[in-house]
Amino acid sequence: GAVVSQHPSWVICKSGTSVKIECRSLDFQATTMFWYRQFPKQSLMLMATSNEGSKATYEQGVEKDKFLINHASLTLSTLTVTSAHPEDSSFYICSATGLAGPGELFFGEGSRLTVL
Amino acid sequence: GESVGLHLPTLSVQEGDNSIINCAYSNSASDYFIWYKQESGKGPQFIIDIRSNMDKRQGQRVTVLLNKTVKHLSLQIAATQPGDSAVYFCAERSSGTYKYIFGTGTRLKVLA
Repeated sequence: GAVVSQHPSWVICKSGTSVKIECRSLDFQATTMFWYRQFPKQSLMLMATSNEGSKATYEQGVEKDKFLINHASLTLSTLTVTSAHPEDSSFYICSATGLAGPGELFFGEGSRLTVL
Repeated sequence: GESVGLHLPTLSVQEGDNSIINCAYSNSASDYFIWYKQESGKGPQFIIDIRSNMDKRQGQRVTVLLNKTVKHLSLQIAATQPGDSAVYFCAERSSGTYKYIFGTGTRLKVLA
């Protein structure tokens, strides 16, 4: 099946710093990528939808200046958490869809962010 | 809004028994549904999907049933094994979009 790789898988940062998380589709062209946030024992919450070469579409309540998304190519999307605070600590998961399947989503392994 | 829950419901099943995990979806315009399995600290894994023009689909040891009348989806796992222990999510896609909304999830515990 199609592979989506996320990096880093975990990161610890100090409050006030920015953190970038990468999401790559390794063997297919991802026309659309999604970023989710997941709190412990909860479901995946869609943060934004990202199409290659255009601005991301953010879900209601998600701060676009806080969570910067860039989808510069058909294989790479990045999520930057700016001026991170402890409440930004979470599990961030990306997924991608494209030409590889009939609408199936392929997920990365997730990135656990801990803000001290 | 997106699905957010305070805790995950848990289903405990004896090894070898069949498991049935249920999901109520919200959008009658959803045309495609997927079941995912998520192990601790990992991203979701695809299990099986079904389109809205079907009411049943079978895979290896898994069956998905769709009841559009009551907007209900179920995942049946035959002969449940310890490796099936995980959290299971259903996801629905609105027709004409790539946007998926996830259900609250169910934790499956397989008892030896």
